[in-house]
Amino acid sequence: AQSVSQHNHHVILSEAASLELGCNYSYGGTVNLFWYVQYPGQHLQLLLKYFSGDPLVKGIKGFEAEFIKSKFSFNLRKPSVQWSDTAEYFCAGNSGGYQKVTFGIGTKLQVIP
Amino acid sequence: DAGVIQSPRHEVTEMGQEVTLRCKPISGHNSLFWYRQTMMRGLELLIYFNNNVPIDDSGMPEDRFSAKMPNASFSTLKIQPSEPRDSAVYFCASRYLAGGDNEQFFGPGTRLTVL
Repeated sequence: AQSVSQHNHHVILSEAASLELGCNYSYGGTVNLFWYVQYPGQHLQLLLKYFSGDPLVKGIKGFEAEFIKSKFSFNLRKPSVQWSDTAEYFCAGNSGGYQKVTFGIGTKLQVIP
Repeated sequence: DAGVIQSPRHEVTEMGQEVTLRCKPISGHNSLFWYRQTMMRGLELLIYFNNNVPIDDSGMPEDRFSAKMPNASFSTLKIQPSEPRDSAVYFCASRYLAGGDNEQFFGPGTRLTVL
């Protein structure tokens, strides 16, 4: 089945550390990929998205992700995390505009001041 | 735009009661999703509609769950009868289907507690 998988379920970092959260997808052909963030007690918000073009996608709050087709990956990165980045991060994707979006299980990030 | 609107924000009910959750998608969006989020199972897609038509309801857990979208600006998710294991946060999301950009916008969620 077409899906998205996240490998890190719980990550703890100190402030200023670099972040990389893994995401792999299993779609063939056209692929649309997203990263969403959910701050404690809030709803999901879009961080960034990839549809086509430049495989390095820049999002809000200093986050970026790189689409590597050969590795079926779309890892999320941030060079220096802040305490306010403490949240749950969801990778998501689908295989074309009309298809449903599948979400990964989520990665809880805890940033220690 | 007010974004996706959900009501109520919190619902506490007793087992066996009927629960109705409501969602108003962003104006102009033509695709709507209902999700359930729990600690144990994460974020699960229950059902989604394109142009008010249910496309995939394979995530609806049981016959106790039903969803409707009578028009482009309103959808309901009903649980009858409710059970304690239905306790979760239920999110509604909408998007504009254009074959390309299909970012979903999420509502604030309804936190349901079934006692």
